[in-house]
Amino acid sequence: NAGVTQTPKFQVLKTGQSMTLQCAQDMNHEYMSWYRQDPGMGLRLIHYSVGAGITDQGEVPNGYNVSRSTTEDFPLRLLSAAPSQTSVYFCASREDRGKNEQFFGPGTRLTVL
Amino acid sequence: EDQVTQSPEALRLQEGESSSLNCSYTVSGLRGLFWYRQDPGKGPEFLFTLYSAGEEKEKERLKATLTKKESFLHITAPKPEDSATYLCAVQDYGNNRLAFGKGNQVVVIP
Repeated sequence: NAGVTQTPKFQVLKTGQSMTLQCAQDMNHEYMSWYRQDPGMGLRLIHYSVGAGITDQGEVPNGYNVSRSTTEDFPLRLLSAAPSQTSVYFCASREDRGKNEQFFGPGTRLTVL
Repeated sequence: EDQVTQSPEALRLQEGESSSLNCSYTVSGLRGLFWYRQDPGKGPEFLFTLYSAGEEKEKERLKATLTKKESFLHITAPKPEDSATYLCAVQDYGNNRLAFGKGNQVVVIP
């Protein structure tokens, strides 16, 4: 199993540009989530999904959209990038509500100029 | 709102010098407390889940313990490869979300 994969690994955007961060898992996990990690802030939840077709907002959802059309994929879209969205983004998955071992991807480092 | 506070923020240890990391938490009802290890430039790696006060889990030189208000991660006779940031997170029965602390950055000097 590849586990949780994320692309790209690095990205530089200009203010106002849009892009999609890709996340995929091959473990047939129902629960997937997106976090951002900033210095001195810890990991903060952006959006999460409990299964295909179901998504919900986390702690810091503004400026981001998600969709979950398949169990495997959970892309994160930045609609109009802002410098405040400069961060490292992690995708994570776990089996279901009752299973708490969460697997993280390697991260995407995003810089918005 | 769930809160997680980790201390100390940073710790330098000599190889073989045992120490403990603290994770204090506030939740309405604890579903689980989690410890992760994160190496620079990588995603967090799961270490332990603790569910109830008094529970302990061990893995190599690491031992995690849990009380009703805090958890400790004990590092016994650390080696340089134990250098990492250790993250603590809690989940309460009210939702699926994990609330993370800011981490304990540990450097073990040979």
